[in-house]
Amino acid sequence: TQLLEQSPQFLSIQEGENLTVYCNSSSVFSSLQWYRQEPGEGPVLLVTVVTGGEVKKLKRLTFQFGDARKDSSLHITAAQPGDTGLYLCAGTNAGKSTFGDGTTLTVKP
Amino acid sequence: NAGVTQTPKFQVLKTGQSMTLQCAQDMNHNSMYWYRQDPGMGLRLIYYSASEGTTDKGEVPNGYNVSRLNKREFSLRLESAAPSQTSVYFCASRFTSSGANVLTFGAGSRLTVL
Repeated sequence: TQLLEQSPQFLSIQEGENLTVYCNSSSVFSSLQWYRQEPGEGPVLLVTVVTGGEVKKLKRLTFQFGDARKDSSLHITAAQPGDTGLYLCAGTNAGKSTFGDGTTLTVKP
Repeated sequence: NAGVTQTPKFQVLKTGQSMTLQCAQDMNHNSMYWYRQDPGMGLRLIYYSASEGTTDKGEVPNGYNVSRLNKREFSLRLESAAPSQTSVYFCASRFTSSGANVLTFGAGSRLTVL
């Protein structure tokens, strides 16, 4: 079983602060995805990273894939209340995705 | 496009009852998946279908059966529901491009087993 550990599990911050969410595994993945999920809805893809060391930016969100393709991080700059939600990382091999337990982010105005 | 459509959105069952969750996608994806999501446990793969006519067990298949009816539809059946199957169930389909993998999820089906 390929396990993904996300940290922290919960994060509550003030608007304007920066934060980083981590996703770690002992397994190597061919690609890694980050999803965001809002209450009552399914997860929605934010980004997929494929190459070790890859960095992708999506407005105020920066995603990094570890050199060994075992871990990843999500950094949010100047968080806004609209960033509130459940953030999930998923490692994918051979067409199957294994999800971390998620990080619940609350951004207070 | 509707994307991935799941029915029903909510269902309450008594222990021992059976039911089928339906899922359909209109994106011409080959692969389809059923996950369950429990509080604090992320998403766990129940069954998946890499292509029409094939199905395989995922991480937590016990108590479930699936049918890949055609390329569009993938159903999940609980033959004899148990309280441990109370969960939110998500169907997803997968598009692969340039080595990346993208799952598109339905809105979920919330099941309560009393």
